[in-house]
Amino acid sequence: DVKVTQSSRYLVKRTGEKVFLECVQDMDHENMFWYRQDPGLGLRLIYFSYDVKMKEKGDIPEGYSVSREKKERFSLILESASTNQTSMYLCASSFGPRDRAYEQYFGPGTRLTVT
Amino acid sequence: GEDVEQSLFLSVREGDSSVINCTYTDSSSTYLYWYKQEPGAGLQLLTYIFSNMDMKQDQRLTVLLNKKDKHLSLRIADTQTGDSAIYFCAESTIYNQGGKLIFGQGTELSVKP
Repeated sequence: DVKVTQSSRYLVKRTGEKVFLECVQDMDHENMFWYRQDPGLGLRLIYFSYDVKMKEKGDIPEGYSVSREKKERFSLILESASTNQTSMYLCASSFGPRDRAYEQYFGPGTRLTVT
Repeated sequence: GEDVEQSLFLSVREGDSSVINCTYTDSSSTYLYWYKQEPGAGLQLLTYIFSNMDMKQDQRLTVLLNKKDKHLSLRIADTQTGDSAIYFCAESTIYNQGGKLIFGQGTELSVKP
């Protein structure tokens, strides 16, 4: 069974704090993704990575950065948290080009509240 | 740019069929997907269809694809209360880099007993 785990289910941080969200997958997937989910907006891609140390901006990268030092781990960093970053954050992973169906497997999500 | 649109809510009675609709703009889409999100959980892939197919059936689920109108639908037969969830439509294209998917806003399905 594919497993994507996220470090926290719920997180409360203060404005201006540096926040780390960790994601680990156990299927040797090449691709990893960070999304945020907001009501009525669906999933919006923040960053993705298709190899170790590779990263690409998604649709809403402002205010975020990422790190992928190992294949199984993809970290999302909020350099200085703001209240408009209060959201549900979802991590996903998928195989690379050999699986052209690109099915993504999702973690359970981290609900982040910035006060 | 690429865009995927869904209506936000659908309410049905238990035992009825549910039809969730989705439209997309990218004519180079290669795969189209339906994901399900139960309360408090991540997304789970329900089914996907390759763009050269018109229909795919999997037990209670039927996916219909109209490429001319860029319209995708998911029909759930004999809808149960356990089907209450948010359903997301998504697409990928041959110009995809790194397996990126474009998701719709999600349709919240409410099943009343």
